[in-house]
This record gives sequence, C-alpha cells and structure tokens, in this order.
Amino acid sequence: EIVLTQSPGTLSLSPGERGTLSCRASQSVPSNYLVWYQQKPGQVPRVLIYGASRRATGIPDRFSGSGSGTDFTLTISRLEPEDFGVYYCQQHGSSYTFGQGTKLEIK
Amino acid sequence: QLQLQESGPGVVKPSETLSLTCTVSGGSISSSSYYWGWIRQPPGKGLEWIGSIYYSGTTYYNPSLKVRVTISVDTSKNQFSLKLSSVTAADTAVYYCVRHTGSGWSDAFEIWGQGTMVTVSS
Repeated sequence: EIVLTQSPGTLSLSPGERGTLSCRASQSVPSNYLVWYQQKPGQVPRVLIYGASRRATGIPDRFSGSGSGTDFTLTISRLEPEDFGVYYCQQHGSSYTFGQGTKLEIK
Repeated sequence: QLQLQESGPGVVKPSETLSLTCTVSGGSISSSSYYWGWIRQPPGKGLEWIGSIYYSGTTYYNPSLKVRVTISVDTSKNQFSLKLSSVTAADTAVYYCVRHTGSGWSDAFEIWGQGTMVTVSS
C-alpha cells in the first residue's frame, strides 16, 4: 500500500500570502497519478488537481500542482478567504489511498 | 446533472452489518465510462476509500477492509450498495458514494453524494 504523508498538519496564513502544501509517498506513485482535493467544513471534497499538475475545470489558476515520483506539492499563489479549509492528496496509481490532510487556516 | 444520494440506517449495533444504498439520478449507472464507489470519513478525520464497482459487477476493494466489504450493483434500479460486516465503533463515519473513471490520469472522485452519518452503537 502506498502511504501518503502530508505536511504540515496545519498551515496558518493570511489572505494574499503564498501557501505551499506537501504530499510525500512511501513509494513512487505510478504515472504520477496524484490528485489534490479541497474540503470545506460541512462540504464534500472538490477536485483541484489531476495527474499531479493538471487543474480541474473551473479551478482558479492561483492553484498549481507539481512534483513526481514520491514528492508532490500544491501551491496556492495568493490566498483568498475562500481557500481556507482542509486539503487532501490522493493517489490512484496503486489502489486508492489518501493523505491525512493539511488544514489551511486563517492567521 | 448527475446526482448521488446515500440511504440507510444511521445507527448500527456492534458486530452487525452496515448496509447502505446509493441512488444515481440524472444519468445511467450503466455508463461504460465510470466506476461507482464508497468512501468514508470518521468524524474530524481523513478520507478512506472502501471500494468501487463497475456496472458489470467487477469490484475493487481496499485491502484493509476486503474481508468485511461487499459492494453490489442493481442496474434496473440505478443503484449500488455497500455492506460492511462485523462493525465496531471504528466504523463510525460519514459514508459517501462517489463516481470516478476508474482508469487513466483523470481517475479522480469527481462526483460525491452528500454523505450519510453512520454510528456504531448498542
């Protein structure tokens, strides 16, 4: 099983700042099949990024994904108030597993 | 617009079997392009994939839950179902039904039901 470890557990930032979220895999993710989701309180998760770096339809370009193999990053270039919530990475190269999440909170 | 709706008991006794159904509306569960799955989220915790099914009946399960999980599909009712046996308090969670493509770079859990809370308690 591929275990995904996200860091930091909590990220406290102000609107306008840059956010960098990390997702590290216990072994290489086949074909870089890595997805990023955003979940706000009381809502279902929403797909942000497919295939490590492809933005989903309707996702603002301030969200970007990068990385390959075992190390992946989600970057939010300039935080907006609506960007705060919990972010999950998930791989589907070998079965399906999620990271434990990074909570992005307002500083 | 495709919608998914979970239904089933909100409380299940320890050692019994949790049974949930997901009804698909606004589209056909028999689409050749998609898989249908279950994901759960314990209160205040992260997400865990339980398993998925294709309309033909082909199933894929989380290895850690495989011995207790059965997912089935009823194309005539446009529904698929989850059974989880021998439940304990650790199975208390919000259970979501989801749709995904099942293969390729775009295989993400794109469409979610609203979720249903299931509590394991005597």
